Amino acid sequence: DAKTTQPTSMDCAEGRAANLPCNHSTISGNEYVYWYRQIHSQGPQYIIHGLKNNETNEMASLIITEDRKSSTLILPHATLRDTAVYYCIVSSAGGTSYGKLTFGQGTILTVHP
Amino acid sequence: GAGVSQSPSNKVTEKGKDVELRCDPISGHTALYWYRQSLGQGLEFLIYFQGNSAPDKSGLPSDRFSAERTGGSVSTLTIQRTQQEDSAVYLCASSLPRDRPPGGKPGGYTFGSGTRLTVV
Repeated sequence: DAKTTQPTSMDCAEGRAANLPCNHSTISGNEYVYWYRQIHSQGPQYIIHGLKNNETNEMASLIITEDRKSSTLILPHATLRDTAVYYCIVSSAGGTSYGKLTFGQGTILTVHP
Repeated sequence: GAGVSQSPSNKVTEKGKDVELRCDPISGHTALYWYRQSLGQGLEFLIYFQGNSAPDKSGLPSDRFSAERTGGSVSTLTIQRTQQEDSAVYLCASSLPRDRPPGGKPGGYTFGSGTRLTVV
């Protein structure tokens, strides 16, 4: 699976949009971009994923560049409860990797009042 | 149930003892994964089950670790002769098969809350 690069940490003011970047320059054609987050002392929580089109759900939006080498997770109105470690992962849907997710160190997002 | 259930939530054991950790996946999720997370560290893949296929055990750190999945549902992770370095949160996740629906968009994992194992 392709490797991802994320900033170690980011800050965001409550009520503002949080934009979390991720680089995945070696992504291959059948690999999806997944985002998970982990709030302290809890298991990771799925947020969103996409292949090449931008995606939106009730939690967030995912913007994938046209060349697919990078993406941005957008939390439109961050709250204090969004403080967590955010993981960007690329993984294929099937084949020999069967979609195994390899978690890196992620981005520590701190939302402050 | 509605989510992935793991038990016990906390386990303290003496060094050298065996432990069993249980995972109940979401009904209908045929894929099941075990990860562990040591304090302040990222998630480490341990093992993967998919339907009747042979499990991928490539992440198991030693032969003291084993896992079973009975009837395609409940899974048990067993650690024999526990060591202090086994102390971690053990997380289970389940998902639909990666290629379902065929040609469709695969889903994400749903994780349980984990079992915090402390070996003293």
